[in-house]
Amino acid sequence: EVVLTQSPEFQSVTPKEKVTITCRASQNIGNNLHWYQQKPDQSPKLLIKFASQSFSGVPSRFSGSGSGTDFTLTIDSLEVEDAATYYCHQSSGLRQTFGGGTKVEIK
Amino acid sequence: EVQLLESGGGLVQPGESLRLSCTVSGFSFSSYVMGWVRQAPGKGLEWVSGMTGIGNNADYADSVKGRFTISRDNSRNTMYLQMSSLRADDTAIYYCARLFSGSYVDYWGQGTLVAVSS
Repeated sequence: EVVLTQSPEFQSVTPKEKVTITCRASQNIGNNLHWYQQKPDQSPKLLIKFASQSFSGVPSRFSGSGSGTDFTLTIDSLEVEDAATYYCHQSSGLRQTFGGGTKVEIK
Repeated sequence: EVQLLESGGGLVQPGESLRLSCTVSGFSFSSYVMGWVRQAPGKGLEWVSGMTGIGNNADYADSVKGRFTISRDNSRNTMYLQMSSLRADDTAIYYCARLFSGSYVDYWGQGTLVAVSS
């Protein structure tokens, strides 16, 4: 089973600041890594697919990079509405896994 | 419009069984890998199980292997999760998920709550 380790677990950020979240896989997963945003009492929403491809309708301030074992989600110029928990997800086969999540709070 | 609707959640005692259903509409069900993802109260997302479109292959998280069984009835546009020997740590919201080309989840259900308690 591929283990995804996200960091940091929690981040308190001022609006307009840049946010960087990392996700490390325990083995090479190519670009089969996706990022989601989840707000309280809502289902997750896809932000980035295949490490760096923005999903339809997602604001351009969200971007992803990386391949193999190390991946990054970047939020340029954080907005108040971006307060949420962010998860990475690997889809290498049917036994998939999620990272532990990063909670982003607005200062 | 793509819709995924879970049902079957509820309160059960440890050791009991429960079957969840996910009924979909708005797309060709048999063309998609489908999965179950759960989220314990105040915790993160956990992949539970996934099954191919024609139902010929499935896999499970280690935490549920041997206790949970995923299945689907493509004629009814419905996926199931049969859960047995339930434990307190199975308490969670269970989400139905559609995977685009077996990769990312592009559609989620609203979730159904399973509570295991004596």
